[in-house]
Amino acid sequence: GAVVSQHPSRVICKSGTSVKIECRSLDFQATTMFWYRQFPKKSLMLMATSNEGSKATYEQGVEKDKFLINHASLTLSTLTVTSAHPEDSSFYICSARVPGGFNTEAFFGQGTRLTVV
Amino acid sequence: KNQVEQSPQSLIILEGKNCTLQCNYTVSPFSNLRWYKQDTGRGPVSLTIMTFSENTKSNGRYTATLDADTKHSSLHITASQLSDSASYICVVSAHLGSGTYKYIFGTGTRLKVLA
Repeated sequence: GAVVSQHPSRVICKSGTSVKIECRSLDFQATTMFWYRQFPKKSLMLMATSNEGSKATYEQGVEKDKFLINHASLTLSTLTVTSAHPEDSSFYICSARVPGGFNTEAFFGQGTRLTVV
Repeated sequence: KNQVEQSPQSLIILEGKNCTLQCNYTVSPFSNLRWYKQDTGRGPVSLTIMTFSENTKSNGRYTATLDADTKHSSLHITASQLSDSASYICVVSAHLGSGTYKYIFGTGTRLKVLA
């Protein structure tokens, strides 16, 4: 089946630095990828929709300058957490939908545990 | 308001037993409903996806049902195994028009299977 690979799985960074998370669709081309944030014991919260070749669409309340999204190719989207602070510590997950209509499957990456110290 | 509510919030069962998780939604217009399994610290993995016209769908020991009239879905797990311990998330897709869709996530049911 289709696979979405997310890297790194865990990252610890110092406050004030930036961290880049990669999301790759390994065996299909994804024109749209999604980025989520998940707090402990809570459900996934959509942060933004990443469209290949165009600007990402951010959800209300998500700072686009803080969470930079780049979808430069049909198989890669990146999320950069800029000037990270401890409150940015969270579990970040990407997903990509297989092309062919909206009722196609959506696959999730393994997630990235970000800890800002 | 588009919402997805799941119950119970958490559940503990003995290995080998069956269980049923519930999902009620107020999403409109409805596009499809998905069930995902999420292990702790991992991304969700798809179990089933159902459209408006589908009433039931099975994936191994997992069987999902959908009643579009009452806006209710259930996920039945048969002969539970220790590896079934995870969070189960119900996700409903809404068609917002002009080819735009939105996923609405339930808060999940945390299942723990004990030996």
